[in-house]
Amino acid sequence: RKEVEQDPGPFNVPEGATVAFNCTYSNSASQSFFWYRQDCRKEPKLLMSVYSSGNEDGRFTAQLNRASQYISLLIRDSKLSDSATYLCAVNKFTSGTYKYIFGTGTRLKVLA
Amino acid sequence: ETGVTQSPTHLIKTRGQQVTLRCSSQSGHNTVSWYQQALGQGPQFIFQYYREEENGRGNFPPRFSGLQFPNYSSELNVNALELDDSALYLCASSFFGPDNEQFFGPGTRLTVL
Repeated sequence: RKEVEQDPGPFNVPEGATVAFNCTYSNSASQSFFWYRQDCRKEPKLLMSVYSSGNEDGRFTAQLNRASQYISLLIRDSKLSDSATYLCAVNKFTSGTYKYIFGTGTRLKVLA
Repeated sequence: ETGVTQSPTHLIKTRGQQVTLRCSSQSGHNTVSWYQQALGQGPQFIFQYYREEENGRGNFPPRFSGLQFPNYSSELNVNALELDDSALYLCASSFFGPDNEQFFGPGTRLTVL
C-alpha cells in the first residue's frame, strides 16, 4: 500500500460545479499536509497548506481528518483555468529529516 | 514566481553518462530537496540538503548524489545513467522544520537514450 494515495481521475466537471478530492495517508506520524497544483509539464505550485482546523482560500477549502487519516480539497464554482493535476503532500519526520511524500495526483478537467 | 531556479531546462544524455543538475534556492531558504517525477507519477523524494549536508534520503541508489553550497544552492549528480532515469527532476526550496512549505523550481527534464 502506498503511503499517500489519491484517485488519479480524471474528474470531468462542468464549469461552475463543485468538486472534491480526497487523499489518504497511512503514516500516523505525518505532521503537516499540503495541496499542490501541477499544470502539464510544469512544476508543482503550492495551492495551500492544510491545517487541523481546516482552511479556506477563496473558492478552495482544505480539511484534515487525522482520525481517519485523510485530507480533502473542495473547489467551488469551478473555472476552466482550474483544469490541472492536484497533488497532495504529506510531511513526516523520519530519520532526522522532514520528508515530503506525494500522492500520484488527481487530474481535473473543467469543461465549458 | 517562487524565485527557485534550475538549470538546464532540458538535457539529453546516453546510458552510462553522468549528469549534473543545478538549483538556486529562494532567498532566505536554507534547505533544498530534490525529487524525481516520472510521467503520470507524483514527485519521488531523492534527498534533502540542509547545512551543506545530506539530511535524509529516499529509495535511490548511491549513484544519485548531491551537494549544497554555502549560499544554499545545490547540485544533483547522477552517475552511470540508465534509461529509467529519464524524468523531470525538481528541486524544492524551504526552511527546515515541521511545517515547512516547499517551493519548486521549474525542473530539468532529463532524457536518457
